[in-house]
Amino acid sequence: AQSVTQLGSHVSVSEGALVLLRCNYSSSVPPYLFWYVQYPNQGLQLLLKYTTGATLVKGINGFEAEFKKSETSFHLTKPSAHMSDAAEYFCAVTKYNQGGKLIFGQGTELSVKP
Amino acid sequence: DGGITQSPKYLFRKEGQNVTLSCEQNLNHDAMYWYRQDPGQGLRLIYYSQIVNDFQKGDIAEGYSVSREKKESFPLTVTSAQKNPTAFYLCASSKDWNQPQHFGDGTRLSIL
Repeated sequence: AQSVTQLGSHVSVSEGALVLLRCNYSSSVPPYLFWYVQYPNQGLQLLLKYTTGATLVKGINGFEAEFKKSETSFHLTKPSAHMSDAAEYFCAVTKYNQGGKLIFGQGTELSVKP
Repeated sequence: DGGITQSPKYLFRKEGQNVTLSCEQNLNHDAMYWYRQDPGQGLRLIYYSQIVNDFQKGDIAEGYSVSREKKESFPLTVTSAQKNPTAFYLCASSKDWNQPQHFGDGTRLSIL
């Protein structure tokens, strides 16, 4: 069965520091991978997606992620954290025979210290 | 602007009562989804629909029901059989299975 693991339910960084949120997946076939961000009491907003092609994917707000098949990882990074990046981040995976069903990780809450 | 509208934003349920959460989209998307979000558990799929008049159970369908009579609408009923309904409910839609899902702003359901 597919699964998604996000390492660290809480991550804290200082403003201007590197943001690294980890995501590992298990899938027997090539996956489609997504990162979403959620602000308090709101829905999820897509940050970026990997389907096929280039393994380094750039998203909104300066975030990017790299698909590493050998490591079954899709970690999210941002070179310099901003206070407005404080939110909860979800990694999700689907594959061609899932009918669009997304499997979500448990989420990582990012705190940014001034 | 196209998007997904969920209503109400907050909802309270009495014991033994069924309540219905509304989800409407004007994105012309074929697929629609309902998720339940609990603290520390991520999102879990309740029901999904890939086309009008058809829907499938997700991972936690017990105590819930849905209908898909129109492309734009996918209401979720939380029945009295759902013994722990307190949660944040999110509706989503997508154009196709491999396209990103767009989310509404959610409905927070609590028990009176």
